Amino acid sequence: AQRVTQPEKLLSVFKGAPVELKCNYSYSGSPELFWYVQYSRQRLQLLLRHISRESIKGFTADLNKGETSFHLKKPFAQEEDSAMYYCALLIQGAQKLVFGQGTRLTINP
Amino acid sequence: EAGVAQSPRYKIIEKRQSVAFWCNPISGHATLYWYQQILGQGPKLLIQFQNNGVVDDSQLPKDRFSAERLKGVDSTLKIQPAKLEDSAVYLCASSLDGTTYEQYFGPGTRLTVT
Repeated sequence: AQRVTQPEKLLSVFKGAPVELKCNYSYSGSPELFWYVQYSRQRLQLLLRHISRESIKGFTADLNKGETSFHLKKPFAQEEDSAMYYCALLIQGAQKLVFGQGTRLTINP
Repeated sequence: EAGVAQSPRYKIIEKRQSVAFWCNPISGHATLYWYQQILGQGPKLLIQFQNNGVVDDSQLPKDRFSAERLKGVDSTLKIQPAKLEDSAVYLCASSLDGTTYEQYFGPGTRLTVT
């Protein structure tokens, strides 16, 4: 079965500290994964996808097929990073996204 | 460019009543999605349209939910009759051509069923 698991519902770190949001997936095909973000009073939006291998707003995420993980990382958290973060898996063929339950990240000053 | 529009933003109804949600995707976007997001969970796809045809409605509770996308532009999602467990945020999203990862979301409609 296709599944995305984000084990932490809530994550709180201090400004300037490193942050890692965990995402694990279960999928028999070739995985394509994404991180979506929802800031307070804003819409859900794409943050980054693994195949682009880019850093957005200082965030990076590496696909680890051996551990079936796609953790989101940032070396120095900023207050504006406070948001809800969702990991998503693309189901090939069906071309649809399966979302994790989300992690609420709070950056404390 | 204008984003995905949804209305109403909030709706409160009693169980067994009917409700309809409207979505206007970004101009030129061929693919439209409806998601249900229950509190504390991630969005769950209900139905996906490509132009005015249904691509995937495998998770749509068809005994009470229906959706249409006439003329391949606007879409409506209807619930009839509503149950308490339908309380959720209903999100509409669109993408240019089915490249599913690049989806643009609307603000959502928060439905409360009492």
